[in-house]
Amino acid sequence: DIQMTQSPSSLSASVGDRVTITCRASHSINNYLNWYQQKPGKDPKLLIYAASSLQSGVPSRFGGSGSGTDFALTISSLQPEDFASYYCQQSFSSPFTFGPGTKVDIK
Amino acid sequence: QVQLVQSGAEVKKPGASVKVSCKASGYTFTGYFIHWVRQAPGQGLEWMGWINPNSGGTNFAQKFQGRVTVTRDKSTSTAYMELSTLRSDDTAVYYCARAGDAQFLDYWGQGTLVTVSS
Repeated sequence: DIQMTQSPSSLSASVGDRVTITCRASHSINNYLNWYQQKPGKDPKLLIYAASSLQSGVPSRFGGSGSGTDFALTISSLQPEDFASYYCQQSFSSPFTFGPGTKVDIK
Repeated sequence: QVQLVQSGAEVKKPGASVKVSCKASGYTFTGYFIHWVRQAPGQGLEWMGWINPNSGGTNFAQKFQGRVTVTRDKSTSTAYMELSTLRSDDTAVYYCARAGDAQFLDYWGQGTLVTVSS
């Protein structure tokens, strides 16, 4: 199975900050990497698919990069509605494992 | 608009089974895989498996093999996930999600809380 790790596990940031979350796969997954945002009590929301493609309707302040084993999600200017948990997921091979998540809260 | 509507919360005793439904609308049901993901209280997301609604083919994470059955009813555009021999650590919110190309999960159900308690 492909293991996914994320860092940091949590971070505190202010509105307007640039935030980067990293995700690493235990084996190369090409660009089969997706990012989701989840707010408490809500279902996850797809932000980025195929490592860098922005899902329709997602603000352009979200960006994804990377290929192979190392990936990043960047929020260029953090907004109040962005305080949430973020998960990466590989869809290269079954089981389609998720990372452990990164919680972004208000400094 | 694409919607996935799941069945309501369940409370089950250890050793019992639970069956969660996921009714799809707003798109061609047989054109997209349905995945199942669960989330224990305060924990992260755990991928369980998928079903191809067109063929009925399935694939599950090894830890669930032998305990999970996923089926679909094309006439009602509904997928079902049944988990048997429930344990307390199966207590979680169970989500269904539609998979786009390359198996990213673009639409999610609202989640179904399954509580396993004696």
